[in-house]
Amino acid sequence: DGGITQSPKYLFRKEGQNVTLSCEQNLNHDAMYWYRQDPGQGLRLIYYSQIVNDFQKGDIAEGYSVSREKKESFPLTVTSAQKNPTAFYLCASSSAGGSYNEQFFGPGTRLTVL
Amino acid sequence: GESVGLHLPTLSVQEGDNSIINCAYSNSASDYFIWYKQESGKGPQFIIDIRSNMDKRQGQRVTVLLNKTVKHLSLQIAATQPGDSAVYFCAENLSGGYQKVTFGTGTKLQVIP
Repeated sequence: DGGITQSPKYLFRKEGQNVTLSCEQNLNHDAMYWYRQDPGQGLRLIYYSQIVNDFQKGDIAEGYSVSREKKESFPLTVTSAQKNPTAFYLCASSSAGGSYNEQFFGPGTRLTVL
Repeated sequence: GESVGLHLPTLSVQEGDNSIINCAYSNSASDYFIWYKQESGKGPQFIIDIRSNMDKRQGQRVTVLLNKTVKHLSLQIAATQPGDSAVYFCAENLSGGYQKVTFGTGTKLQVIP
């Protein structure tokens, strides 16, 4: 059963703590993405990776970090430097190259900072 | 997930009626457009896409219309069903380099049984 998994579904964190969100895909996609979704707003790109061991900042990368050591995995760390981390986080993947590559989304992780 | 629908424009339709959801996109150079459906607490799901060299594309119960002159995209859902209730948003893709996709804020569709 191919797809993208994110864990956990709900995550609570105290202020000042770092937390890592998991994203795994078995679609053999080269490209992976992290988005943040806030109420009433569109998805905003945090980081993306087009290939293993390479990643680029998106539009709102401050306070976040990522790694891409394996093709299947693209974990996102929300650091204590992120001023407003409470949000719904979505991971996606797609084929790389070409012009029109559909992004497949995971089920999301809702992070709440207490 | 649960709060995605807050503060969004809402379209309420009777079950069985047709729904039309509109989207204005920002970049006249965008060459690929996608409609996504997002149910509460879930990730977005692909519905239908269209390239800029087309003005209409049909799927199963859904049709996407593209008007490049006014940078407008619409999603038509025929015979709307309760399972269609969700937030729908469009996305535009500017090809070249990586997959730079810009997402709209979305419209909440409520189907009245």
